[in-house]
Amino acid sequence: GAGVSQSPSNKVTEKGKDVELRCDPISGHTALYWYRQSLGQGLEFLIYFQGNSAPDKSGLPSDRFSAERTGGSVSTLTIQRTQQEDSAVYLCASSFERGISYEQYFGPGTRLTVT
Amino acid sequence: TQLLEQSPQFLSIQEGENLTVYCNSSSVFSSLQWYRQEPGEGPVLLVTVVTGGEVKKLKRLTFQFGDARKDSSLHITAAQPGDTGLYLCAGEGGTSYGKLTFGQGTILTVHP
Repeated sequence: GAGVSQSPSNKVTEKGKDVELRCDPISGHTALYWYRQSLGQGLEFLIYFQGNSAPDKSGLPSDRFSAERTGGSVSTLTIQRTQQEDSAVYLCASSFERGISYEQYFGPGTRLTVT
Repeated sequence: TQLLEQSPQFLSIQEGENLTVYCNSSSVFSSLQWYRQEPGEGPVLLVTVVTGGEVKKLKRLTFQFGDARKDSSLHITAAQPGDTGLYLCAGEGGTSYGKLTFGQGTILTVHP
């Protein structure tokens, strides 16, 4: 079946511009997560969605970052007035409750470069 | 705040050698997941361990969850060049919705 898809795969933007990153989760997965990964490092949690609501936004670095999810499916992460430190790979994952553990399935990521 | 310390950060070995990657924390996790990530791709789930003391084997890979559910290890026997990649451990705990805390990762290079 189809996995998690993300678009665009690469995005180069000028400092100060806004960007939108899209995530299409696996069909039927109710939970959706956004992470950020800096070069060769582990993943930093950004935000979690259950359905269309976001009970945990604790990882968003600043108020320039926002995200929404519609129809319990597609999610968009928006970064306003991008800064060079926003350059990273943004990864989306989805999951459904499986026993007592959530197993997350990741998309290929969007590599964001702010020049 | 839950933290996961993963070591070593880099590992460069010859084909056929064995290796172990460690993941340690002072926090208890309800489960721990291991992922492998290749350049330009997202992490791929290898295994989830849930029970303290649990050992899971996946071909040449052996995963262990500590008795106290605070630490885990990944052992690879007779490494092959195809094992090259970034290995990530991730702990789940403290929330009801599967929020993961990731280690910093181990970059493994296996030379032919």
